[in-house]
Amino acid sequence: SQTIHQWPATLVQPVGSPLSLECTVEGTSNPNLYWYRQAAGRGLQLLFYSVGIGQISSEVPQNLSASRPQDRQFILSSKKLLLSDSGFYLCAWTYRGDRVTYNSPLHFGNGTRLTVT
Amino acid sequence: DQQVKQNSPSLSVQEGRISILNCDYTNSMFDYFLWYKKYPAEGPTFLISISSIKDKNEDGRFTVFLNKSAKHLSLHIVPSQPGDSAVYFCAASGALRSNYKLTFGKGTLLTVNP
Repeated sequence: SQTIHQWPATLVQPVGSPLSLECTVEGTSNPNLYWYRQAAGRGLQLLFYSVGIGQISSEVPQNLSASRPQDRQFILSSKKLLLSDSGFYLCAWTYRGDRVTYNSPLHFGNGTRLTVT
Repeated sequence: DQQVKQNSPSLSVQEGRISILNCDYTNSMFDYFLWYKKYPAEGPTFLISISSIKDKNEDGRFTVFLNKSAKHLSLHIVPSQPGDSAVYFCAASGALRSNYKLTFGKGTLLTVNP
């Protein structure tokens, strides 16, 4: 069966510090990978998605970046965190090449709670 | 511009009664709709979905209804149980150039009282 791992579960970082969140998927090959963020009082906002190694699509311009160095690894980074970067970050996957459909939903990890102080 | 809207931030129902969560969308290119359930400090879990070629999909206590002409869908939970208390997100996919991603609403917090 497929599993998705995110770490760390919680993180407190000062403004201006760098960020690296990691996500890995097991049990499948060539998944589509996603980073979403849930800010306080808001819904789930898509930040980045990737349909293959080195292929990153950015949805929202900001000071975050994403990379996919390996097939089942997705990394979210920042060189200098802002207070507005605080939120709950979620990694997700779906089967490669699939549209997100009624029988091919996104599967989420347990998230990272980031607090920028 | 919010393409998927959940206008009720919260809903409270009694155990055993029906819970109805609503969702509206604006983009007529959406053709798949999904509901996710989220507990605090956890990732969302997929609950039920529907294709735009259908108007109803049922899975146990959960039923999703789709009204394409009104661009409206709803999730019915019957009977509601305390363990159903969570945030429910409506999501859509299929819009032009958006085949690989989901657009989410802001969620509705459901509280089922014993």
